[in-house]
Amino acid sequence: GEDVEQSLFLSVREGDSSVINCTYTDSSSTYLYWYKQEPGAGLQLLTYIFSNMDMKQDQRLTVLLNKKDKHLSLRIADTQTGDSAIYFCAQRNNYGQNFVFGPGTRLSVLP
Amino acid sequence: EADIYQTPRYLVIGTGKKITLECSQTMGHDKMYWYQQDPGMELHLIHYSYGVNSTEKGDLSSESTVSRIRTEHFPLTLESARPSHTSQYLCASSDEGEVGPYGYTFGSGTRLTVV
Repeated sequence: GEDVEQSLFLSVREGDSSVINCTYTDSSSTYLYWYKQEPGAGLQLLTYIFSNMDMKQDQRLTVLLNKKDKHLSLRIADTQTGDSAIYFCAQRNNYGQNFVFGPGTRLSVLP
Repeated sequence: EADIYQTPRYLVIGTGKKITLECSQTMGHDKMYWYQQDPGMELHLIHYSYGVNSTEKGDLSSESTVSRIRTEHFPLTLESARPSHTSQYLCASSDEGEVGPYGYTFGSGTRLTVV
């Protein structure tokens, strides 16, 4: 079945860039997503990328997709303490299929 | 404003009690989901519904049950709570009627503690 993997922890200094990585196994993924979960809250959709795109940029966020290697990354420029959260990668393949979520990466931003 | 609501936010309850976690959405989404989130952060799908009178079990076996009598409402019930049910429960909905980048919209979650 489909599988999505992420490293579990990442620590960066405030002002540095953060790069959160994700790998997936399902080559038929149509859309790939990044969700953010702040402490005690639900998940919030940050951004998504369609599988025929290589890159998508939205203010401080840059998503890179390497379809050949089935690798997705989220880069956060000028990381702030408010970016401390858990980041989930998710994929969806065909119409009507449920999402597959990764285990989440806990980002800690140090002052 | 269209949204998805979960109540209660926090619940501490004794072993053996029956509880219902509420989830309602105002977006008219057909698909709704319940996830259990363990302390290690990972999300586990325990139930989902593709519409009224449709309910399915998810990837993780759960002693809870769900119902979908109305489109907007997807409650989760535990007939007899146990300490092993202590967890964060997240409800989500989506509109995947057409091919498109429709993400899931999540509620704020219910943190359940069974003592």
